[in-house]
Amino acid sequence: RKEVEQDPGPFNVPEGATVAFNCTYSNSASQSFFWYRQDCRKEPKLLMSVYSSGNEDGRFTAQLNRASQYISLLIRDSKLSDSATYLCVVADNNAGNMLTFGGGTRLMVKP
Amino acid sequence: EADIYQTPRYLVIGTGKKITLECSQTMGHDKMYWYQQDPGMELHLIHYSYGVNSTEKGDLSSESTVSRIRTEHFPLTLESARPSHTSQYLCASSEYGPGAVTDTQYFGPGTRLTVL
Repeated sequence: RKEVEQDPGPFNVPEGATVAFNCTYSNSASQSFFWYRQDCRKEPKLLMSVYSSGNEDGRFTAQLNRASQYISLLIRDSKLSDSATYLCVVADNNAGNMLTFGGGTRLMVKP
Repeated sequence: EADIYQTPRYLVIGTGKKITLECSQTMGHDKMYWYQQDPGMELHLIHYSYGVNSTEKGDLSSESTVSRIRTEHFPLTLESARPSHTSQYLCASSEYGPGAVTDTQYFGPGTRLTVL
């Protein structure tokens, strides 16, 4: 079983749609959580950190459920430019802050 | 924008050649990483470093080696390239130690390596 699991997709949605991704992690000692975005043939870039109380950044909302060990990302009013792969990332601060990356969920927003 | 650089961006080379992939960052980060990623596949950590003179192997076994003589520089070397080494290699860095605010890793643009 992978430490960080994501549905690989692709999620094909029309412009303006709301789309949600979930991610589950197996290491209960994980303490930091992130969503990264990776465009095709490009490097991953931090999209947002995920805080226990949940957090929002414009059209993006991240939630953390420690009891169930899952993280979610909600994108409202999808834009064509949101098309990318979204990587769920967790860090175990007791293991030197090493990051573990999920395999990513691919999103394709269609006109 | 992150100040982390990788050269070359693309490299096509024959089997048996020795190659060094360069990575440098100007953010003063102590921690640096090398990942390997095949197209459409997940990232695999192959090497990391906590600081100068520190190098560790990652989760994925790799025939490459690394060195960390200077904080800003973390080169990766393949002594004898093989077709199985064809992949994208991504370098990253992050803050580490007391006072580090987050574990955020900043990635370089990557080196796409093809071994014929």
